[in-house]
Amino acid sequence: DGGITQSPKYLFRKEGQNVTLSCEQNLNHDAMYWYRQDPGQGLRLIYYSQIVNDFQKGDIAEGYSVSREKKESFPLTVTSAQKNPTAFYLCARSILRYGTGELFFGEGSRLTVL
Amino acid sequence: GESVGLHLPTLSVQEGDNSIINCAYSNSASDYFIWYKQESGKGPQFIIDIRSNMDKRQGQRVTVLLNKTVKHLSLQIAATQPGDSAVYFCAVVTGGGNKLTFGTGTQLKVEL
Repeated sequence: DGGITQSPKYLFRKEGQNVTLSCEQNLNHDAMYWYRQDPGQGLRLIYYSQIVNDFQKGDIAEGYSVSREKKESFPLTVTSAQKNPTAFYLCARSILRYGTGELFFGEGSRLTVL
Repeated sequence: GESVGLHLPTLSVQEGDNSIINCAYSNSASDYFIWYKQESGKGPQFIIDIRSNMDKRQGQRVTVLLNKTVKHLSLQIAATQPGDSAVYFCAVVTGGGNKLTFGTGTQLKVEL
């Protein structure tokens, strides 16, 4: 799993509900990232965090929220404000705090809104 | 900003042939480039990377070529195998920043 664990792998939710995706890493790396992937498209950055208690918006942060209370955990909440939440969500970690370097991805969480 | 595009959404090759996947980027300040492989339903896996001070880097059965003049990047896979079937993404970092910009991916299909 590349030292990073995402759960759940599949998730269904009704419109109007918030849902939280879990991302845990066990390698003491500083930087963590959340990406969204839609069919036939590349990955788009939602949020990233380089240090505990700090995070920055990526290119498509609207309708999402994150927290980084512990170094090993970076959960993503998909809120009801996200207009098109059905997608494949990928969490990643990086050794480097500043400068991306190589990203190691988890296995992803597939969210479907019914 | 940065935009990244791959030249072909799908590439079909015969087993044993060499594969070449191409990628173009827009920002001349881009300085770090990575190729990822993504199998169906899984997260992307690192294949090989190259920095802007190089124009070629080789790994096991893979070679990345960087042409900064025309802002073009390619991934060559030698003796393509069925296990190479996947979507391949190039990703670009600009100016020592913290974000990777991904291309849209090329689906590599290996025919037996």
